[in-house]
Amino acid sequence: DIHMTQSPSSLSASVGDTITITCRASQDISTYFAWFQQKPGKAPQCLIDVASQLQSGVPSRFSGSGSGTEFTLTIASLRPEDFATYYCQQYYDYPWTFGQGTNVEMK
Amino acid sequence: QVLLVQSGAEVKPPGSSVRVSCKASGGNFRTNAISWVRQAPGQGLEWMGLIIPVFPTTKFAQRFQGRVAISADESTRTASMELSSLRSDDTAVYYCATGNPNGLVVWGKGTTVTVSS
Repeated sequence: DIHMTQSPSSLSASVGDTITITCRASQDISTYFAWFQQKPGKAPQCLIDVASQLQSGVPSRFSGSGSGTEFTLTIASLRPEDFATYYCQQYYDYPWTFGQGTNVEMK
Repeated sequence: QVLLVQSGAEVKPPGSSVRVSCKASGGNFRTNAISWVRQAPGQGLEWMGLIIPVFPTTKFAQRFQGRVAISADESTRTASMELSSLRSDDTAVYYCATGNPNGLVVWGKGTTVTVSS
């Protein structure tokens, strides 16, 4: 199985900060990669697909980059509604696998 | 715009089976992969398997092989996931999600399955 490792596992930030979350794949997954946001009691929402393609309706302060084994999610000018848990995921090979999640909390 | 509507919450005794359905509106039901992902209380996301209705092709995570069945009915645009031999650690929220055609772009709201005697 392809193992996805996110870092950090949690981070504290303030409104207006720019934050970066990193995800590393255990093998080359090209750009078969996505980022999700999940708020408590809600279904995950896909933010970014194909490593850097912003989904419709997702604010432009979210951006993704990377290919191969290293990927990043950057959130610029953090807003109150951005405090949530973020997951990375690969769909290069079965079984599809997720990172363990990054909890972004308010400082 | 694709919308996925899942069936309601279930409470099941250990050893029984549960079937969760996911009705799709909009999008290309036949060629888009429909996945099932679960989340145990306080835990992360776990992909269980998928179906591509047009072939139909199914893929499963090894740990669920033999215990999970995924099907799709094109006439009703409904995918279903059945998990058997339920244990207490199967208590989770079960999500269906579909891609374009791959991935997990659109998600259902989730179905809570509680395994309890």
